[in-house]
Amino acid sequence: GEDVEQSLFLSVREGDSSVINCTYTDSSSTYLYWYKQEPGAGLQLLTYIFSNMDMKQDQRLTVLLNKKDKHLSLRIADTQTGDSAIYFCAEEGENGANNLFFGTGTRLTVIP
Amino acid sequence: GAVVSQHPSRVICKSGTSVKIECRSLDFQATTMFWYRQFPKKSLMLMATSNEGSKATYEQGVEKDKFLINHASLTLSTLTVTSAHPEDSSFYICSASSGNFNEQFFGPGTRLTVL
Repeated sequence: GEDVEQSLFLSVREGDSSVINCTYTDSSSTYLYWYKQEPGAGLQLLTYIFSNMDMKQDQRLTVLLNKKDKHLSLRIADTQTGDSAIYFCAEEGENGANNLFFGTGTRLTVIP
Repeated sequence: GAVVSQHPSRVICKSGTSVKIECRSLDFQATTMFWYRQFPKKSLMLMATSNEGSKATYEQGVEKDKFLINHASLTLSTLTVTSAHPEDSSFYICSASSGNFNEQFFGPGTRLTVL
């Protein structure tokens, strides 16, 4: 099956940029996703990128996609303590968005 | 935004008992609901996909007789873990989709501990 890899932990200082990386295996995924999980809350869709794009910017978030290397990254500019959470990347399986495969999640800790 | 709730948020049960977890879409009609299992330091694993009024489609390796899924209405799906064992202890998360675009809305999860 699909294999989505992320590093487990990342710590950054408040105000710095955070970069969360992800590698995936299914090149047929039409969209790739970033989800955020805060304690006691469900996963929230943060952003997504169409597979034919190599960059998408949305306010403080920048998604970079290297399709050749199957590498996806999420950059958070001016990281705030409220950004502390677990971030999951996800790719689509054979049923498209009805079949998401998630990475292990990266726990981002923002140090004041 | 769309809200999905799960009940209970935490449950502790004895080995051999069955546990039912509810997933509700509160402000939209969910044509499709999904059940995931989250392992510590591991991926969120899709267990099954259910469409309202139809039998659930289970992912490979997920026992359908062990994890019973019912999607009786457009706002409610239930996952019943039958004859639970300690290895079933996990965090179970549901999500719901109205079919618009690709977005799944996730519930807060249910932590199941089987003693």
